[in-house]
Amino acid sequence: DAKTTQPTSMDCAEGRAANLPCNHSTISGNEYVYWYRQIHSQGPQYIIHGLKNNETNEMASLIITEDRKSSTLILPHATLRDTAVYYCIVRVYTGGFKTIFGAGTRLFVKA
Amino acid sequence: DAGVTQSPTHLIKTRGQHVTLRCSPISGHKSVSWYQQVLGQGPQFIFQYYEKEERGRGNFPDRFSARQFPNYSSELNVNALLLGDSALYLCASSLGFNQPQHFGDGTRLSIL
Repeated sequence: DAKTTQPTSMDCAEGRAANLPCNHSTISGNEYVYWYRQIHSQGPQYIIHGLKNNETNEMASLIITEDRKSSTLILPHATLRDTAVYYCIVRVYTGGFKTIFGAGTRLFVKA
Repeated sequence: DAGVTQSPTHLIKTRGQHVTLRCSPISGHKSVSWYQQVLGQGPQFIFQYYEKEERGRGNFPDRFSARQFPNYSSELNVNALLLGDSALYLCASSLGFNQPQHFGDGTRLSIL
């Protein structure tokens, strides 16, 4: 059911940029891409979202391709605390909104 | 400011019983959504409520029901519990029904 595909896991060195890719080739014109992360035993934490323009906030940057079929979440200077499962999701409107999470990417930040 | 609060944090039930989980959204948030997360998987969408009306439903049986109260808090009810209902149940709130959701830390339900 998930409308997004992500790599199962990735490694990143502490202090370096972490680039997490996401494919959403069936996204519709008015559907936003959302990114969340989940640290063990906690609820998912909202990171950023976008429609078609690149977005940046205090946590991360979101780069969306022009055709909107894929996006990349960038954590500019990864720390050990960024080790988590990162979810890229698209909210589907079918008379009501459904938020469909995939399996996410497990990011390991290493010292 | 308080985030999304859920109660109880942990719960143990036996098969066939009924359970009610509760959620208080962030102040000012009018939408509440419920998710089920089985160990090792991403959250699965159950319901979304906005202004006390159901606005979205996932692929869950009728044993699962929910409601939202005038103060925007919400309850998730599950009847005739099965072993497979053991999971972390997450509640998320948002200002509107198509805006970023903020999650609580969930209720861990164990069915014996």
